[in-house]
Amino acid sequence: GAVVSQHPSWVICKSGTSVKIECRSLDFQATTMFWYRQFPKQSLMLMATSNEGSKATYEQGVEKDKFLINHASLTLSTLTVTSAHPEDSSFYICSARSIWTSGGADTQYFGPGTRLTVL
Amino acid sequence: QKEVEQNSGPLSVPEGAIASLNCTYSDRGSQSFFWYRQYSGKSPELIMFIYSNGDKEDGRFTAQLNKASQYVSLLIRDSQPSDSATYLCAVTSGTYKYIFGTGTRLKVLA
Repeated sequence: GAVVSQHPSWVICKSGTSVKIECRSLDFQATTMFWYRQFPKQSLMLMATSNEGSKATYEQGVEKDKFLINHASLTLSTLTVTSAHPEDSSFYICSARSIWTSGGADTQYFGPGTRLTVL
Repeated sequence: QKEVEQNSGPLSVPEGAIASLNCTYSDRGSQSFFWYRQYSGKSPELIMFIYSNGDKEDGRFTAQLNKASQYVSLLIRDSQPSDSATYLCAVTSGTYKYIFGTGTRLKVLA
C-alpha cells in the first residue's frame, strides 16, 4: 500500500517552454501533497504544499507564478514549471500525506521523482 | 529556526556489522520522527517512523528516540552492501510538514 506515482520520470525541454509533472496517490486518498526539489548532493528542499481544492502554499523564495500547482482531486496534484530555464533543471519529487498509516504517524510517501533537464 | 542535523558521512562499515546513524533536532516540541533511505538518483523510501521514547524494531532496523536529549538514531544490523545509500532523518514539529536533515551517506564494504 501507499504507492505514489509520478509522470514523466524524466523530461528534456527547450528553454522557455512549460513542463507539467503529475503526481498520483494510487491506493490512498491524499488531501495534502508536497512538491520538493533536489539538486545533486543536496537534501530535499520543500517548494510547496498542495491541498485538494485550495490554493497551494509556497515556501519562501519559491515563485508561485513560475511553479504552478493544481490539486484537482484527492489522488492527483500537478506541478507546471512555466517558461523553464536551465537553472530550473533539477530532480522534482512529490510526496503524498497519508494519515492512516499503520501505527498512527502522519506519514509522507514519495513518488519516484522527475528529472527535468532544460536546454 | 527549527533544525535537524545529521553527520554527512560517509559512514563506512564492513558487511555484517551494525551501522549506527544519528540525528539531532532543535525543537523540543517535535512530535514524529522518520527515517528514509535514498539511493543515488532515486527518491526517498520510508524505512520507519517513531514517536515514543525508546526503541522500535522492524526487521534489521531499530529506531531509537530520546526526547530528553533530542536525538533519534537508526541502527542497521547485519549491514549489507545493498544498504549503501543516503539516510535522511525527518521531523515534524507543530505541523505535518517535514524538516529534513541533510542526510548521512552510508557505505557498506563487502
